[in-house]
Amino acid sequence: EDQVTQSPEALRLQEGESSSLNCSYTVSGLRGLFWYRQDPGKGPEFLFTLYSAGEEKEKERLKATLTKKESFLHITAPKPEDSATYLCAVQAIQAAGNKLTFGGGTRVLVKP
Amino acid sequence: DTGVSQDPRHKITKRGQNVTFRCDPISEHNRLYWYRQTLGQGPEFLTYFQNEAQLEKSRLLSDRFSAERPKGSFSTLEIQRTEQGDSAMYLCASSSLKGGHTEAFFGQGTRLTVV
Repeated sequence: EDQVTQSPEALRLQEGESSSLNCSYTVSGLRGLFWYRQDPGKGPEFLFTLYSAGEEKEKERLKATLTKKESFLHITAPKPEDSATYLCAVQAIQAAGNKLTFGGGTRVLVKP
Repeated sequence: DTGVSQDPRHKITKRGQNVTFRCDPISEHNRLYWYRQTLGQGPEFLTYFQNEAQLEKSRLLSDRFSAERPKGSFSTLEIQRTEQGDSAMYLCASSSLKGGHTEAFFGQGTRLTVV
């Protein structure tokens, strides 16, 4: 069974204090790993897809990296508007319909 | 195209009542998914459609749940005889098979509260 574990569960940062979120996964064969951002009361917003170990993607202050066992989401010099829950999900090659298996998320709070 | 649309955004219902939610996917997307998310957890897969065919259902989808996607366009998710444990955010997502991209785009969700 595919499993995704995210750590830490919650993260409090001062504005400008860079940090990293971890996503560890177990999957029979990885088609893709996805990062989403979710604001309270809203649906997940797509950020990145990573397909193979060594791949990196960047968007503004966010950078996602992938190894064979885990992915990291690095937040560089965060601003209060980066406060959100960040969700990691895997898509297995065998997954019917490319369905996603999500981790529990990391709640990030950036204080000014 | 403004993305995946869900209606209603919020629903409060009494235990035992039936509820129905609607999802309009991104127009060119042929795959449509339903997920459920409880507070503090990540979304969990419920079911998916390719065009009008429902191709997989999770064990989470009890007999009280039914989903349809007539003509491969919008989809509805009905919950019969609601229970307090059904209280959750119900998320719809869609994706395309074209171009090798497999990311799913989510709607804003329907928050269900069963009282």
